[in-house]
Amino acid sequence: NAGVTQTPKFQVLKTGQSMTLQCAQDMNHNSMYWYRQDPGMGLRLIYYSASEGTTDKGEVPNGYNVSRLNKREFSLRLESAAPSQTSVYFCASSERVAGSPGELFFGEGSRLTVL
Amino acid sequence: AQSVTQLGSHVSVSEGALVLLRCNYSSSVPPYLFWYVQYPNQGLQLLLKYTSAATLVKGINGFEAEFKKSETSFHLTKPSAHMSDAAEYFCAVQIPGRRALTFGSGTRLQVQP
Repeated sequence: NAGVTQTPKFQVLKTGQSMTLQCAQDMNHNSMYWYRQDPGMGLRLIYYSASEGTTDKGEVPNGYNVSRLNKREFSLRLESAAPSQTSVYFCASSERVAGSPGELFFGEGSRLTVL
Repeated sequence: AQSVTQLGSHVSVSEGALVLLRCNYSSSVPPYLFWYVQYPNQGLQLLLKYTSAATLVKGINGFEAEFKKSETSFHLTKPSAHMSDAAEYFCAVQIPGRRALTFGSGTRLQVQP
């Protein structure tokens, strides 16, 4: 019962390098999200995908791109990494229930350091 | 627009003592409210949620929260702290009909033996 799986768990990049964070969920959820977590700032939404084929910007999208590859997978790409992107990244998924908000299910996080 | 303020980035209690974690929200419409917990090196998991039904919401692990519209608050409580409650707790708000949640900055709970 994997839930939400993120890879890699740890990554160190040099400024200017690119990388992709992968996320997959096995709960058949329509909505998927990418958040970043920084000390004292809680979680901030980078991008989300309400359903397969759609993506929308969140609170802090600059410097990132996303791809909703299929219903299961939602990837986050850093084209040219900057030290300000050093953070812990969380992928989450949810399914809306009529009349009630869906619960967010989170992966274990990907810790990224940009030197 | 919506926002969440969590008062106190760190709270320390003794085992067996009352836990009170504070959350105040701002929202242009009646919101959904949530408390999530994060254990070390893990993702967040839902503790409880308020969806405009009962104002007192019971969650997992003995936690509960009360929605007070007049105070725009949604404080989290537990009558008796356990060592296993040590974690970081996040309050979050969502506008009904919208996908995204807005999280507070978190409160780290320490439980002393």
